[in-house]
Amino acid sequence: AQSVSQHNHHVILSEAASLELGCNYSYGGTVNLFWYVQYPGQHLQLLLKYFSGDPLVKGIKGFEAEFIKSKFSFNLRKPSVQWSDTAEYFCAVNARGGGSQGNLIFGKGTKLSVKP
Amino acid sequence: DGGITQSPKYLFRKEGQNVTLSCEQNLNHDAMYWYRQDPGQGLRLIYYSQIVNDFQKGDIAEGYSVSREKKESFPLTVTSAQKNPTAFYLCASSNGRFPYEQYFGPGTRLTVT
Repeated sequence: AQSVSQHNHHVILSEAASLELGCNYSYGGTVNLFWYVQYPGQHLQLLLKYFSGDPLVKGIKGFEAEFIKSKFSFNLRKPSVQWSDTAEYFCAVNARGGGSQGNLIFGKGTKLSVKP
Repeated sequence: DGGITQSPKYLFRKEGQNVTLSCEQNLNHDAMYWYRQDPGQGLRLIYYSQIVNDFQKGDIAEGYSVSREKKESFPLTVTSAQKNPTAFYLCASSNGRFPYEQYFGPGTRLTVT
């Protein structure tokens, strides 16, 4: 079965520190990859997505992610975090092909706390 | 203003009662989804529907039921058979086409005592 692993449950950083959140998936075929963010009290919203082309994708609010196919990874990065980045971050994958190809498999999420 | 609405935001029920959570979208999306979010568990798929009058079980469908009589509506019923119904429930929709990006509603927090 497909699965998504986010290894960090809770990350605490000071403002201006660099961020990298890990995401690994298990699926041998072609995938679409997503990072979603859930700010306190707000909707889950899309940060960025990858489905083809340049494996380094840029999203909103200065976030980027790199797809490394050989490592089955799609890590999220930001060079300098702000207090407003405090949120929970979810990595999600959908596998192409098959009747349920629109379905997303989510990781368990990583809570990011940024200290001002 | 396009989007997904879920009501109510907070819902309280007594054990043994069925409860229905509302989800409406005006994005003209074909596909709709229900997830359950528990702390440290991520989002788990309860049911999904790729087209009107059709729906499929997700990973944790036991104790839940859905209907999809209209394109814009996908209500979820939490039945008394659901052993641990207290959770945050999220509804999502997508246009059902590549790359299958999903858009989420604000969620309903259900507490059963």
